Amino acid sequence: DQQVKQNSPSLSVQEGRISILNCDYTNSMFDYFLWYKKYPAEGPTFLISISSIKDKNEDGRFTVFLNKSAKHLSLHIVPSQPGDSAVYFCAASAMFSGNTPLVFGKGTRLSVIA
Amino acid sequence: DTGVSQNPRHKITKRGQNVTFRCDPISEHNRLYWYRQTLGQGPEFLTYFQNEAQLEKSRLLSDRFSAERPKGSFSTLEIQRTEQGDSAMYLCASSLEAVATNEKLFFGSGTQLSVL
Repeated sequence: DQQVKQNSPSLSVQEGRISILNCDYTNSMFDYFLWYKKYPAEGPTFLISISSIKDKNEDGRFTVFLNKSAKHLSLHIVPSQPGDSAVYFCAASAMFSGNTPLVFGKGTRLSVIA
Repeated sequence: DTGVSQNPRHKITKRGQNVTFRCDPISEHNRLYWYRQTLGQGPEFLTYFQNEAQLEKSRLLSDRFSAERPKGSFSTLEIQRTEQGDSAMYLCASSLEAVATNEKLFFGSGTQLSVL
């Protein structure tokens, strides 16, 4: 049972345009969501997070949107840069109701084309 | 600022052999996690420690797997009688126990295990 789903295995975007990566979850107990970025031969690195009390969090070129009723979140990167090319993982946890370990999606490989 | 360190980076072993991996977390972090990642999948939780106490184990962690964190510092993950299905990237992560809304895991670069 996959509790965190990233249905797009890959995405290609032109440099300078917006990248939108999507994530759906099924566990209504999840209340904390994170995005990680992973380059080849490295561990995932934290990018941005959002708790369920918010619907938007912004950090520079990165914005995460949370739609609790739809159990959906998205990561927007604008403008996209070639260095953003990586695999992006969505992760979730029930932090406030049990502090469960992070559950990850399968990832979306983003390619930003110059 | 030293991050999470994992050794070795790569391990090739024959089926049936035992292997042990080491993880050194960020020094002030009291939580340490082990995840496993296979090709095309996201990291899957295996187990975690708060200080030296092992607080949770996934059902993915068979009896052949054992993890320790003596003295609440570094951790080891041992796999006994390895099988080809154990081939994966084993990721260690650490964090400071959440006191607010921003607990983040910091990952090491992983140990890539290949079982022949």
